[in-house]
Amino acid sequence: DADVTQTPRNRITKTGKRIMLECSQTKGHDRMYWYRQDPGLGLRLIYYSFDVKDINKGEISDGYSVSRQAQAKFSLSLESAIPNQTALYFCATSRTGGFNEQFFGPGTRLTVL
Amino acid sequence: QKEVEQDPGPLSVPEGAIVSLNCTYSNSAFQYFMWYRQYSRKGPELLMYTYSSGNKEDGRFTAQVDKSSKYISLFIRDSQPSDSATYLCAMSVVNQGGKLIFGQGTELSVKP
Repeated sequence: DADVTQTPRNRITKTGKRIMLECSQTKGHDRMYWYRQDPGLGLRLIYYSFDVKDINKGEISDGYSVSRQAQAKFSLSLESAIPNQTALYFCATSRTGGFNEQFFGPGTRLTVL
Repeated sequence: QKEVEQDPGPLSVPEGAIVSLNCTYSNSAFQYFMWYRQYSRKGPELLMYTYSSGNKEDGRFTAQVDKSSKYISLFIRDSQPSDSATYLCAMSVVNQGGKLIFGQGTELSVKP
């Protein structure tokens, strides 16, 4: 089935460690997004990519970096994790043009100790 | 002030009740108005969307947009325990690459 997958689903790490969260999609969509979700704050956009060569910062990009390795793969890195990056992270994809419904992955729960 | 405000609840109602969920916003350029539903330990899924003003109905769900008041609503009729989830409103500006601005989400519990 066409799908958006994220790995790992859960991760506990320590302050200062480098972490990579991975997203893959089989929907054939050009656009991919990374969000974080915190209680009481909803979903906030970290980075988004319109295609392999087009990457843009979102609302809260500080402390994060991304890599679009292929149309189907979009990775999020925390170069030096800190406790306030503890959150639920979602990857999403959408088509280009018109109303572009975003399809979300199952999320990665990250805890930084 | 956040661009999109939503009461986080939680909201608890008995089965069969009419549920009203609401969001206010400040950016008059928003043209697409969406409601996403998120079950526990899952990613959000699009429930309904509206372009510009007006109402849209889909089964037991009705979405309303009042651009003059910068206010959107989602009504759920004959609520069911399976409707228990977090409901997130989201909005976007046309031609801004599909960037969505989300509300905080309202946690709804429908009791049998």
